[in-house]
Amino acid sequence: QKEVEQDPGPLSVPEGAIVSLNCTYSNSAFQYFMWYRQYSRKGPELLMYTYSSGNKEDGRFTAQVDKSSKYISLFIRDSQPSDSATYLCAMSEGGITSGTYKYIFGTGTRLKVLA
Amino acid sequence: GAVVSQHPSRVICKSGTSVKIECRSLDFQATTMFWYRQFPKQSLMLMATSNEGSKATYEQGVEKDKFLINHASLTLSTLTVTSAHPEDSSFYICSARDPVNQETQYFGPGTRLLVL
Repeated sequence: QKEVEQDPGPLSVPEGAIVSLNCTYSNSAFQYFMWYRQYSRKGPELLMYTYSSGNKEDGRFTAQVDKSSKYISLFIRDSQPSDSATYLCAMSEGGITSGTYKYIFGTGTRLKVLA
Repeated sequence: GAVVSQHPSRVICKSGTSVKIECRSLDFQATTMFWYRQFPKQSLMLMATSNEGSKATYEQGVEKDKFLINHASLTLSTLTVTSAHPEDSSFYICSARDPVNQETQYFGPGTRLLVL
């Protein structure tokens, strides 16, 4: 079993739809949860960063963390064709806890927003 | 936001040659940088953690003599793929740890390596 599981997609939605992207994980020591967006042949771009459980909103993006279920989500409202990319979740235990600042990434979900 | 650059963006080389990839943090100092490898349609796999002024820490299964890492300054880390072979062809991405929000990493644009 992988430490972080993420459906690779592709996920196709019409423009304006609400998109839900998810990751599950097995390591209960993870405390930091990130979402990155990666366009083809480019480096990942940080979208959202969350510590511990709870919700965080930034514009059209909302990140949710449920540590009891080991489940995190990213919601994109009013999706646009420019949102078409691969979305990667990443997690870490935290440097103070683990002594490293390593990230464990999910496989990424390819999203296509159709105009 | 913080900017991380990589050079070159693409490189094609012959089998057996060595290739050096540079990773620079442009507007902040990074004591820690990370090197990842990403194969097509796969996720980022951490290769090593690069700490300024000390030896890199390699992940299990990554050959430290093949992937040489040098982090000689607070804004520059280099990855040298020695005696490259076709199976080393991949997308190499570096990241730099934010010195203020230390749990955050900013990624470079990646370097595509093709070994013929």
